[in-house]
Amino acid sequence: KQEVTQIPAALSVPEGENLVLNCSFTDSAIYNLQWFRQDPGKGLTSLLLIQSSQREQTSGRLNASLDKSSGRSTLYIAASQPGDSATYLCAVDSGNTGKLIFGQGTTLQVKP
Amino acid sequence: SQTIHQWPATLVQPVGSPLSLECTVEGTSNPNLYWYRQAAGRGLQLLFYSVGIGQISSEVPQNLSASRPQDRQFILSSKKLLLSDSGFYLCAWSTGIGKHEQYFGPGTRLTVT
Repeated sequence: KQEVTQIPAALSVPEGENLVLNCSFTDSAIYNLQWFRQDPGKGLTSLLLIQSSQREQTSGRLNASLDKSSGRSTLYIAASQPGDSATYLCAVDSGNTGKLIFGQGTTLQVKP
Repeated sequence: SQTIHQWPATLVQPVGSPLSLECTVEGTSNPNLYWYRQAAGRGLQLLFYSVGIGQISSEVPQNLSASRPQDRQFILSSKKLLLSDSGFYLCAWSTGIGKHEQYFGPGTRLTVT
């Protein structure tokens, strides 16, 4: 059974700092891995999707990497801003129906 | 472009009452549809998914059910709500082919009293 873990559960950093969020999964037979952002009381916004054949994806200040063999993914946020404050979730798709298994999330606070 | 709608946005219901939450997707055909629940301190849990009209798969045994009466409509129901049904319900869609990237709706906050 696939299990997804995110460390740390919470993170507080000063504005401008570069930071890394971690995601690990127990079964390396994945189809893709997706990173989401969730603001309080809101739905999820897709940030980046990495297919199993890819090593990384970039969007603006965000860079996500994937190492299937070790069961790990990282989300790198460059030059953090207060507007980046949110909960970040990673999710693994292991099959052909697109069902996602989510981690518990990392709640990020960027202080001005 | 594609959009996903959920209603109602918030709902307060007494224990034992029925439930109906609706999700619709615009701008795509034959999407895969998903219902998730996010309970306090428990993370996101997949409840149901559907790869086509009338095709529903349940992931977690419970007193909830799902239906897909039309291609782009997904309904979550209950005949009698329990306190443990409280949570944030999220509907999502994906194309079902290619990357399987999922897109989420704005959610419904359900409080069972």
